[in-house]
Amino acid sequence: AQRVTQPEKLLSVFKGAPVELKCNYSYSGSPELFWYVQYSRQRLQLLLRHISRESIKGFTADLNKGETSFHLKKPFAQEEDSAMYYCALQSYNTDKLIFGTGTRLQVFP
Amino acid sequence: DAGVTQSPTHLIKTRGQQVTLRCSPKSGHDTVSWYQQALGQGPQFIFQYYEEEERQRGNFPDRFSGHQFPNYSSELNVNALLLGDSALYLCASSSYLSTDTQYFGPGTRLTVL
Repeated sequence: AQRVTQPEKLLSVFKGAPVELKCNYSYSGSPELFWYVQYSRQRLQLLLRHISRESIKGFTADLNKGETSFHLKKPFAQEEDSAMYYCALQSYNTDKLIFGTGTRLQVFP
Repeated sequence: DAGVTQSPTHLIKTRGQQVTLRCSPKSGHDTVSWYQQALGQGPQFIFQYYEEEERQRGNFPDRFSGHQFPNYSSELNVNALLLGDSALYLCASSSYLSTDTQYFGPGTRLTVL
């Protein structure tokens, strides 16, 4: 079965600390992986996708097929990074997104 | 471009009633997907419409149905509402022939009493 697991409901760090939001997936094939973010009182929006291999707002994520993981990382957290983060999987040749339960990131000053 | 818009913002219904939620896609998009997000959960895929037809469906009962109009806007209908249908309903639009991502609307908060 296709599944996305985000083991942490809440992650709290201080400004300037490194951040790693964990995401593991189960999928028999080559999925496309995404990270979506939802800031307070805003709609869900794409943060990054693994095929782009780009860094957005200082965040990066590497797809590790051996460990079936797609962890989101940032070396120095900022207060404006505080938000809800969702990892999502899109199976080949469909638009259907399968989301994890989300991790709330709190960055304290 | 206002992006994806949804109406209404909030809705309160009682068990057994029927509800219709509406979505207008982002300009240039022709595909609409609906998701249900229960409290504390990630969004769950309900179904997707393209060319006025349901193309894909998630694990939701037949009480959930939809429609897409020629202008690409879409409706989600839920019949015989249950308490468990209380959730945030998200609409996402995309372009069928593009590898671009889905863009989400602000959602409709449905409360079933």
